[in-house]
Amino acid sequence: GESVGLHLPTLSVQEGDNSIINCAYSNSASDYFIWYKQESGKGPQFIIDIRSNMDKRQGQRVTVLLNKTVKHLSLQIAATQPGDSAVYFCADPNHYNTDKLIFGTGTRLQVFP
Amino acid sequence: DADVTQTPRNRITKTGKRIMLECSQTKGHDRMYWYRQDPGLGLQLIYYSFDVKDINKGEISDGYSVSRQAQAKFSLSLESAIPNQTALYFCATSDQDGYTFGSGTRLTVV
Repeated sequence: GESVGLHLPTLSVQEGDNSIINCAYSNSASDYFIWYKQESGKGPQFIIDIRSNMDKRQGQRVTVLLNKTVKHLSLQIAATQPGDSAVYFCADPNHYNTDKLIFGTGTRLQVFP
Repeated sequence: DADVTQTPRNRITKTGKRIMLECSQTKGHDRMYWYRQDPGLGLQLIYYSFDVKDINKGEISDGYSVSRQAQAKFSLSLESAIPNQTALYFCATSDQDGYTFGSGTRLTVV
């Protein structure tokens, strides 16, 4: 979905636990998604991406799952650390074939000791 | 040096003033973008440019204008700033390998 006018939900996790951040999208033809991490006062940074011909992709401590049937993405962070505290966005870089990067609503991840 | 540089980093301006935010990149990308982020919200696309001669409006272009002076430079102007344009502004570039964002300009309109 698009982020216009929507406040960010918050996910609070304890250090060392796994985090799961969810994202829904609307365009069934979307074939590529990117997850970004935005720390306070900084621009978004690329974390991991996934193409629609995959259901799962793993990085270092992060895994993205794609369920095309229900148009849903999730980002899983293993052994969450304080440095993972940030806002996480999913993004569609070809929103309805416009070649525009459109961000999802975002989730604020708070890690407590 | 950063791949995407935004100036200024912080700016306070008065209502009704014209202000320009500048963005320069060393990535060699043709595509450049301006986004706005309000506190507690996501990023919204203001304008984007796929090359020097191509300028397109995004979702929230009203009250803004842009100029693509060169491949490496894309500036955003507020012709007559108003308080609800107080926000964090990000410039970005992209190619087939992905997007690169600047560090942002924090603009306050009083």
